[in-house]
Amino acid sequence: GAGVSQSPSNKVTEKGKDVELRCDPISGHTALYWYRQSLGQGLEFLIYFQGNSAPDKSGLPSDRFSAERTGGSVSTLTIQRTQQEDSAVYLCASSLTSGAYQETQYFGPGTRLLVL
Amino acid sequence: AQTVTQSQPEMSVQEAETVTLSCTYDTSESNYYLFWYKQPPSRQMILVIRQEAYKQQNATENRFSVNFQKAAKSFSLKISDSQLGDTAMYFCAFMKRTGNQFYFGTGTSLTVIP
Repeated sequence: GAGVSQSPSNKVTEKGKDVELRCDPISGHTALYWYRQSLGQGLEFLIYFQGNSAPDKSGLPSDRFSAERTGGSVSTLTIQRTQQEDSAVYLCASSLTSGAYQETQYFGPGTRLLVL
Repeated sequence: AQTVTQSQPEMSVQEAETVTLSCTYDTSESNYYLFWYKQPPSRQMILVIRQEAYKQQNATENRFSVNFQKAAKSFSLKISDSQLGDTAMYFCAFMKRTGNQFYFGTGTSLTVIP
């Protein structure tokens, strides 16, 4: 596809369960970002991948959160032992790292996570 | 640390009228980028306009334009000839030129009234 895609679009889980959220960036984009958007809030940075470099995990809120990016393309955000406060929309974005407008991030539609 | 402030949680405008959304930011950087993103109910974040801090000329994209005041650290968005499809949440964002992380404001919910 032409844009960033995310799956699932909605996820309902029970407290204590693990969830995996998937992101497919735009083809050719080497940078990938995860953000969390809680109700009525702006976007909170979680993690950043750039090519084969070590990811910037400075925004992950706890060790229950982890992410990986396989083959420099698809990324998975995993939340272990989910808590109710993890309920939010999780947005993925990708960007180029060279050339014009390299800094512009293109966002996916997000995954709405609800932890009961 | 960088902070972005949007002081108008909600705004409304009559269709075909003009509206201005405010954004201020705080940074010690001299080179950076500023963005306005639109998030309609579909949740898809869509880039509206971007501004490079070293450029004095204000960016424009069709009905959208910005008033970039670097000294005042202000970056407002003007929407002319408002359309019903402009109804959305609007986020102002900052990124250091040497960085990779976006810093977002808390958003302004804009409603265009028919």
